Amino acid sequence: AQKITQTQPGMFVQEKEAVTLDCTYDTSDQSYGLFWYKQPSSGEMIFLIYQGSYDEQNATEGRYSLNFQKARKSANLVISASQLGDSAMYFCAMRESYSSASKIIFGSGTRLSIRP
Amino acid sequence: GAVVSQHPSRVICKSGTSVKIECRSLDFQATTMFWYRQFPKQSLMLMATSNEGSKATYEQGVEKDKFLINHASLTLSTLTVTSAHPEDSSFYICSAPGLLGKNIQYFGAGTRLSVL
Repeated sequence: AQKITQTQPGMFVQEKEAVTLDCTYDTSDQSYGLFWYKQPSSGEMIFLIYQGSYDEQNATEGRYSLNFQKARKSANLVISASQLGDSAMYFCAMRESYSSASKIIFGSGTRLSIRP
Repeated sequence: GAVVSQHPSRVICKSGTSVKIECRSLDFQATTMFWYRQFPKQSLMLMATSNEGSKATYEQGVEKDKFLINHASLTLSTLTVTSAHPEDSSFYICSAPGLLGKNIQYFGAGTRLSVL
């Protein structure tokens, strides 16, 4: 069974600093997708970045990049130049298989707080 | 704009009543829709996968007679919490896969259910 682990329940970071949110996963499949979502206090889920298991390059989306280390089964999110608006819950998630109809399982989340 | 519309956003009901939550895909067809439940300060837990025209697939431990899911059309899935009790109070979120070839999962804005 697939599993997502986020070991940092909470993090405090100074504004403008870079921050890395950890995520490890466990799956026996070769084809899978990894996601990061941001959830502010409003509850909405905001898609940040996606990495496919066969993607050779690390995914990047603006200030977000995914440090994908397949052999170690880790998919850490790096946020560069953090902003106050980055304060939120962050969830790492995995979809086992490339089919969009496959379910997505979430990690326990990391609460990120940005200090001014 | 939102591509998955979820209603209501908030509902308060008395114990023993039933509550229906609707999720509509806007401008695209969703043959599959996922229903998640999120307790305060916890992660999203997948409850079930609804499939248009067929029975929903429930995750282990989720009572299918209590959480009725109907996916009657390609744009509408509903979750009915029957005979709600205070322990059912939670944040319920629906999600639909993006268009073929895209790796985005669209989420509704969520429904906060409070059972008195």
